[in-house]
Amino acid sequence: AQKVTQAQTEISVVEKEDVTLDCVYETRDTTYYLFWYKQPPSGELVFLIRRNSFDEQNEISGRYSWNFQKSTSSFNFTITASQVVDSAVYFCALSVRGNTGKLIFGQGTTLQVKP
Amino acid sequence: DAGVTQSPTHLIKTRGQHVTLRCSPISGHKSVSWYQQVLGQGPQFIFQYYEKEERGRGNFPDRFSARQFPNYSSELNVNALLLGDSALYLCASSSRQGGSYEQYFGPGTRLTVT
Repeated sequence: AQKVTQAQTEISVVEKEDVTLDCVYETRDTTYYLFWYKQPPSGELVFLIRRNSFDEQNEISGRYSWNFQKSTSSFNFTITASQVVDSAVYFCALSVRGNTGKLIFGQGTTLQVKP
Repeated sequence: DAGVTQSPTHLIKTRGQHVTLRCSPISGHKSVSWYQQVLGQGPQFIFQYYEKEERGRGNFPDRFSARQFPNYSSELNVNALLLGDSALYLCASSSRQGGSYEQYFGPGTRLTVT
């Protein structure tokens, strides 16, 4: 069975601080895909990144960076110099190779960035 | 290009009633998936449709059904509504089926069952 755990329920930081959101996943499949989504108060899930299990390179996109470590089954997300607009619920998700695109989501981490 | 659209935005129903939710995918996308998100939790997979055929089903009762039309839009139907069906229902589209493709979500339909 597959599972995603986001142990941090809520995080509160002051603007310009760096913050890391943790994600730990479980799967027995050797081919799988990891995702991060952002859900602002409006409710729409916004796609941020996809990583496949064969690519452990870290990725940076502006103030966002992702650290994928298969050895610890983790796919952590760091926001550098956080801004108030980063306030949202962030979800980590897992899918495995197969005929369906079923995404298995974690419980989400609520990030509050205070001015 | 327009993103995924869903209708209605909000809906209030009474226990035992039936509801139909609608979704239009991104132009060119042939796969539509439905998710239920209860307050405070991550979305839970309900169905995936690709090329008008059901390709995946989550752990939901038979009261939940869906279909996909020739233009790739989709409907989610829920019969005999229960209070526990109150949730945000999200539709997602992707260009192809399979776990490797990004899914793009619509704004959701918030269903309240009283």
